Amino acid sequence: AQSVTQPDIHITVSEGASLELRCNYSYGATPYLFWYVQSPGQGLQLLLKYFSGDTLVQGIKGFEAEFKRSQSSFNLRKPSVHWSDAAEYFCAVATGGAGNQFYFGTGTSLTVIP
Amino acid sequence: DAGVIQSPRHEVTEMGQEVTLRCKPISGHNSLFWYRQTMMRGLELLIYFNNNVPIDDSGMPEDRFSAKMPNASFSTLKIQPSEPRDSAVYFCASSPQGALSAEQYFGPGTRLTVT
Repeated sequence: AQSVTQPDIHITVSEGASLELRCNYSYGATPYLFWYVQSPGQGLQLLLKYFSGDTLVQGIKGFEAEFKRSQSSFNLRKPSVHWSDAAEYFCAVATGGAGNQFYFGTGTSLTVIP
Repeated sequence: DAGVIQSPRHEVTEMGQEVTLRCKPISGHNSLFWYRQTMMRGLELLIYFNNNVPIDDSGMPEDRFSAKMPNASFSTLKIQPSEPRDSAVYFCASSPQGALSAEQYFGPGTRLTVT
């Protein structure tokens, strides 16, 4: 069965430090991949997406993610974290095509310390 | 654009009562999704519509849950009768393309508390 795994439930980083949030998926073909961010009390906002082409994708707010087929991963990165980046981050996968399914990971909560 | 609009933002009701959650998708989007978010189960897709037609309702937990989309600009999620375990944040999302593979735009959510 298809699934999305975010192995880190909670991450704490210092402001200005780099960030990497992990996401692994289980699917036989290349899926459509997304990262969303959820601030407290808010809905989810799309940060970036990968459908095809260049495996390094740029998103909003200075985030980027790299699709690695060999590792079934789509990790989110940011070179320098700001206090406003504190939020919940969700990786999502859509299988596309007939029988299209959409799965969210369980989320990673990010705390930024000054 | 105002984005996806959900109402009410908060709902507190007693067990056994009927609850109706409302959603107005972004104009021009032809897909609409209802999600439920809890600490225990995370984000769950309940149902989605393409061009006002329900495509997949396999995520609807029980017959107590029903969803309608009478037109392209309005959808409801109804729970009747409500139970305490239905307490959650319910999100509506819309998408400009008729497939789950397209990005989704989320509303602010409705926080439901059933006592």
